[in-house]
Amino acid sequence: AQSVTQLDSQVPVFEEAPVELRCNYSSSVSVYLFWYVQYPNQGLQLLLKYLSGSTLVKGINGFEAEFNKSQTSFHLRKPSVHISDTAEYFCAVTYGQNFVFGPGTRLSVLP
Amino acid sequence: DTAVSQTPKYLVTQMGNDKSIKCEQNLGHDTMYWYKQDSKKFLKIMFSYNNKELIINETVPNRFSPKSPDKAHLNLHINSLELGDSAVYFCASSQRDWGQGYNEQFFGPGTRLTVL
Repeated sequence: AQSVTQLDSQVPVFEEAPVELRCNYSSSVSVYLFWYVQYPNQGLQLLLKYLSGSTLVKGINGFEAEFNKSQTSFHLRKPSVHISDTAEYFCAVTYGQNFVFGPGTRLSVLP
Repeated sequence: DTAVSQTPKYLVTQMGNDKSIKCEQNLGHDTMYWYKQDSKKFLKIMFSYNNKELIINETVPNRFSPKSPDKAHLNLHINSLELGDSAVYFCASSQRDWGQGYNEQFFGPGTRLTVL
């Protein structure tokens, strides 16, 4: 079965430091890739997506992600985080009729 | 002009009761979903409808029954509620891309269900 792995369940980082949230997926076919953010007590909001084309994708709030087909990865990065980035981040993959979410990474930005 | 809306936002009820959660999308999408998010934030897909036809029906107790009266609505009815049903339920919609799959999903704000 296809799966999405987010290796870090929790990532604490100090404000203004860079951060990388890791995502790997298992699929031998072409996929679409997404990162969603969930702020406390809210629904999920799309940060960015990769459908095709350039492997470096820029999203909202200064986030970007790089698609690496050979490593089946789609890691999310931000060069300088803010307190307001504290949230749960979900990686997701869609292929055919399947849409699979990873287990999430809790990003905690410390002052 | 909310894209995906759910009602109610909070639902507190006793064990054994029957309840419904409603979802509507005004994005013109052809596919809608129900997810359950547990206390550990894990998202589990429950159902998916494409053009009112059930296409995903994960291992969910048959006490849960989705109903799609039209493409813009997908309601979730739960019979004989149990303590373990307490969770946040999210509705989502997306548009099928006949090239490779589905494009991104748009989520509703969630319904926090508490069963006492």
